[in-house]
Amino acid sequence: DAMVIQNPRYQVTQFGKPVTLSCSQTLNHNVMYWYQQKSSQAPKLLFHYYDKDFNNEADTPDNFQSRRPNTSFCFLDIRSPGLGDAAMYLCATSRDSGYTFGSGTRLTVV
Amino acid sequence: KNQVEQSPQSLIILEGKNCTLQCNYTVSPFSNLRWYKQDTGRGPVSLTIMTFSENTKSNGRYTATLDADTKQSSLHITASQLSDSASYICVVSGAAGNKLTFGGGTRVLVKP
Repeated sequence: DAMVIQNPRYQVTQFGKPVTLSCSQTLNHNVMYWYQQKSSQAPKLLFHYYDKDFNNEADTPDNFQSRRPNTSFCFLDIRSPGLGDAAMYLCATSRDSGYTFGSGTRLTVV
Repeated sequence: KNQVEQSPQSLIILEGKNCTLQCNYTVSPFSNLRWYKQDTGRGPVSLTIMTFSENTKSNGRYTATLDADTKQSSLHITASQLSDSASYICVVSGAAGNKLTFGGGTRVLVKP
């Protein structure tokens, strides 16, 4: 089945230690998004790629970076995770009106 | 400012009963409105998507309505089951690209 896959499902990282979350898709969607969702809050858009074009939200901290080496894969890099970065990170893809979320990666910072 | 407001914030219902969740939005221009179900610790799963011209759409026991004139939508859950316990999120897409505006969600708890 075509889908959006996020790995890992759970990630524990140390304070200040760089961490990378991955997202892959088999939908051939041209747009990929990264959201941060904290407990009981709506997802917050961090950035998105329209094809190869990177679009950063104005309030996304510099600590968060992204890479999209090809259509299928997109990575979220957190350069120096702080305790406040503990959250669920959701990847989503879209093409026209179709919009699909991955199952998310729950990040814990210790 | 584009906003999506959902009510109630939380809801407890008995298994087998029906319930209705509300969503009001001010997103303009409007492209489509989606309802998602999000289980705890999981990503949102799409239930319905409606465009401007659609008034109602069903997905099993879930029925969504849309009144584009009053900018209101509702999600009706029929004959609730324990597995319906989740957060239900109303999401509106504006015409400019695919940026979504999320509501705060309604947390539904179905009790036996």
